[in-house]
Amino acid sequence: DADVTQTPRNRITKTGKRIMLECSQTKGHDRMYWYRQDPGLGLRLIYYSFDVKDINKGEISDGYSVSRQAQAKFSLSLESAIPNQTALYFCATSDFRAAQGDYGYTFGSGTRLTVV
Amino acid sequence: GQNIDQPTEMTATEGAIVQINCTYQTSGFNGLFWYQQHAGEAPTFLSYNVLDGLEEKGRFSSFLSRSKGYSYLLLKELQMKDSASYLCAVKKRGSTLGRLYFGRGTQLTVWP
Repeated sequence: DADVTQTPRNRITKTGKRIMLECSQTKGHDRMYWYRQDPGLGLRLIYYSFDVKDINKGEISDGYSVSRQAQAKFSLSLESAIPNQTALYFCATSDFRAAQGDYGYTFGSGTRLTVV
Repeated sequence: GQNIDQPTEMTATEGAIVQINCTYQTSGFNGLFWYQQHAGEAPTFLSYNVLDGLEEKGRFSSFLSRSKGYSYLLLKELQMKDSASYLCAVKKRGSTLGRLYFGRGTQLTVWP
């Protein structure tokens, strides 16, 4: 099983629909992140959480919300999906050691979301 | 933003050497990562530099100059499977300890 699991892997939804992307991890990491990736724009941070009671906005949080249900689970919601939210979404995790040494991110496999 | 810049695209031939540059302007610099990402897949870790100098790992090496805000990833003996996007990412000290700031990526195409 993957250390960081994202569901669904692919999703097509209609404009105006509410959709939730889920991320769960078995790494025991305290920090979780949601990024979106668009061609030519790299990885842009939507929201991040450093523990269960901590939620922080990233660079592009408008139109999105998150829930950290447990240390291992971090969900991203689009309350009313719009076509320009069509993108590849990645969940990533890191732990408290990330501040020192070569501890970077562990990424999920991604969710390809298409809003029509 | 963190002003992390890298070329958008590069091309090279199989067996050659290619250098992908990354420049950054950030306060509280605390390390630089390189990731490889194949199309439609998750990024995978390649290297990490926190001190000045060259880190070598097989065909891949990464260099850092903190005073110049500059890093490069060197890929030797290029293979077709090296065709991918290469992401430079910076780690900072402070309230966002552990969070990474990514450049837009450099798309490398390796030709036979």
